[in-house]
Amino acid sequence: GAVVSQHPSRVICKSGTSVKIECRSLDFQATTMFWYRQFPKQSLMLMATSNEGSKATYEQGVEKDKFLINHASLTLSTLTVTSAHPEDSSFYICSARGGGDGNQPQHFGDGTRLSIL
Amino acid sequence: DAKTTQPTSMDCAEGRAANLPCNHSTISGNEYVYWYRQIHSQGPQYIIHGLKNNETNEMASLIITEDRKSSTLILPHATLRDTAVYYCIVRVSDSARQLTFGSGTQLTVLP
Repeated sequence: GAVVSQHPSRVICKSGTSVKIECRSLDFQATTMFWYRQFPKQSLMLMATSNEGSKATYEQGVEKDKFLINHASLTLSTLTVTSAHPEDSSFYICSARGGGDGNQPQHFGDGTRLSIL
Repeated sequence: DAKTTQPTSMDCAEGRAANLPCNHSTISGNEYVYWYRQIHSQGPQYIIHGLKNNETNEMASLIITEDRKSSTLILPHATLRDTAVYYCIVRVSDSARQLTFGSGTQLTVLP
């Protein structure tokens, strides 16, 4: 089945640090990738949608200058949390879907738990 | 995308079938029903999806009512490892559209 790999799985860093999270589709080409964020005891909230080779589309309330998304190839998207602060501590999850038939399921990475001290 | 309604929580005895209901009374003709689950501290896992016919795979069965206003996910022989939050999501057939997650159902499989 389709596999999405997310790295790192856990990050602990100091306030003000920038953190990059990678999301790779291992056995399919992902024309569209999605980044979600999940706070404790809450559901997943979409942050942004990225299509290969174009700028990401951010959801309302998500700062595009703080959460930089790059989708440079059909198998890799990165999310960089710039100048992270404690309130950015969360579980970040990427998802990918291949092209073709629009009803194909999204597949998710295992998430990155980000803790800002 | 249509809104879904699921019970907040359910329990199931290990080895028994787990039947998870979902209401999607405002579903439109081009919307699929997807089921995902999320085990604690992991990313969501795809289970199954369908449009109007019942579907079965190695993980589960999906039963969609004839009017498509509700569906049931069936785990035929629940194990302790099936304890998770189960999300029922409806989405149009469009590869650029995201999945929107609701609160889901916390299924607890009891020994």
